[in-house]
Amino acid sequence: DVKVTQSSRYLVKRTGEKVFLECVQDMDHENMFWYRQDPGLGLRLIYFSYDVKMKEKGDIPEGYSVSREKKERFSLILESASTNQTSMYLCASNSPGSRTGSYEQYFGPGTRLTVT
Amino acid sequence: AQSVTQLGSHVSVSEGALVLLRCNYSSSVPPYLFWYVQYPNQGLQLLLKYTSAATLVKGINGFEAEFKKSETSFHLTKPSAHMSDAAEYFCAVTPYNFNKFYFGSGTKLNVKP
Repeated sequence: DVKVTQSSRYLVKRTGEKVFLECVQDMDHENMFWYRQDPGLGLRLIYFSYDVKMKEKGDIPEGYSVSREKKERFSLILESASTNQTSMYLCASNSPGSRTGSYEQYFGPGTRLTVT
Repeated sequence: AQSVTQLGSHVSVSEGALVLLRCNYSSSVPPYLFWYVQYPNQGLQLLLKYTSAATLVKGINGFEAEFKKSETSFHLTKPSAHMSDAAEYFCAVTPYNFNKFYFGSGTKLNVKP
């Protein structure tokens, strides 16, 4: 089974702190994604990575950065946390060139971040 | 450009009743379509997917969806709702390269006893 794990389920940080959210997948997927989920807004893409050290901005990259030094790990960084970054953060991965035809995204359990 | 519209942010059905969750998409290329389910405080789990094979797709937990190109729809159905189906459901579309996914805003399904 594909497994995507996230470093924390719940996190409380103070305004101005630097925050690291980590995601690890164990299926050798090329693509990894970071989304934030807010009520009524669905999932919004923050950043996407298609290879080690490669990244693309999503729809809402402002205030975030990412790092992918190893294929299995994708980190989301909040350089200076603000209260409007309080949200649920979801990591996902997939393999666009899957030989099995399994192109769907696999999601981690999410990190609920509260910034006070 | 791709987008997804889910009609109805909240749907309530009685246990044993038909479940119908609506999804309409727009896509400039032949789409691949997905339905995901999210239980409280969990990530998203794949229910089913359409990848240009059969237009009627069967998924887990008794759900199915039919791809209708003429209506640009991919509605999710289940003949008989169970209490355990209460969750939030998301429809998603991706162009053929599978590098970007577009999600609807979600529909919360409530199942009444």
